Amino acid sequence: GAGVSQTPSNKVTEKGKYVELRCDPISGHTALYWYRQSLGQGPEFLIYFQGTGAADDSGLPNDRFFAVRPEGSVSTLKIQRTERGDSAVYLCASSKGPLNSYNEQFFGPGTRLTVL
Amino acid sequence: AQSVTQPDIHITVSEGASLELRCNYSYGATPYLFWYVQSPGQGLQLLLKYFSGDTLVQGIKGFEAEFKRSQSSFNLRKPSVHWSDAAEYFCAVGAGGGGNKLTFGTGTQLKVEL
Repeated sequence: GAGVSQTPSNKVTEKGKYVELRCDPISGHTALYWYRQSLGQGPEFLIYFQGTGAADDSGLPNDRFFAVRPEGSVSTLKIQRTERGDSAVYLCASSKGPLNSYNEQFFGPGTRLTVL
Repeated sequence: AQSVTQPDIHITVSEGASLELRCNYSYGATPYLFWYVQSPGQGLQLLLKYFSGDTLVQGIKGFEAEFKRSQSSFNLRKPSVHWSDAAEYFCAVGAGGGGNKLTFGTGTQLKVEL
């Protein structure tokens, strides 16, 4: 079956611009996660959705970052006034349910964001 | 707060040799533990997982890992490495008592010499 998909695969933007990154989870998965992976590091948690609501957004670094999942399926990560430090690979993951119900997370291929 | 340490940044092994990648975690309660593999330009693929029960878990591609609570470790092993195993390996811990995020280590880059 189809896995998690993310678009675009690469995004180059200029400092100060606005970007949107899209994630299509595995069909039927109610939980969706965003992580950010900087060069040479492991992924870092940004936000977790259960259904349409953000159940945990404690990893968002500041108020320039925002994510939505209006219909409980596709999610969009939005970054305003991008900075060079935002350059990273943004990973999306989905699971059948929450982690604490023994559900593993399946990751997409990521979107590589480069801010010039 | 939960954390993961992967003490080896790079490891080189010969094809056919055995492999052990180290992972130590910090978490107050029973953790959920995972190993993922990432090949260049690819997403993370789950190798194996531990939620509860048998502390020796089997995964895909011939990998296994053992949860040792007394040592706060979840080391990944493979008896005979193949050249295609060259990749970056990440250990991750999830909060069993609540919360749903994964906390990852910084990864171990595995090189396989032919």
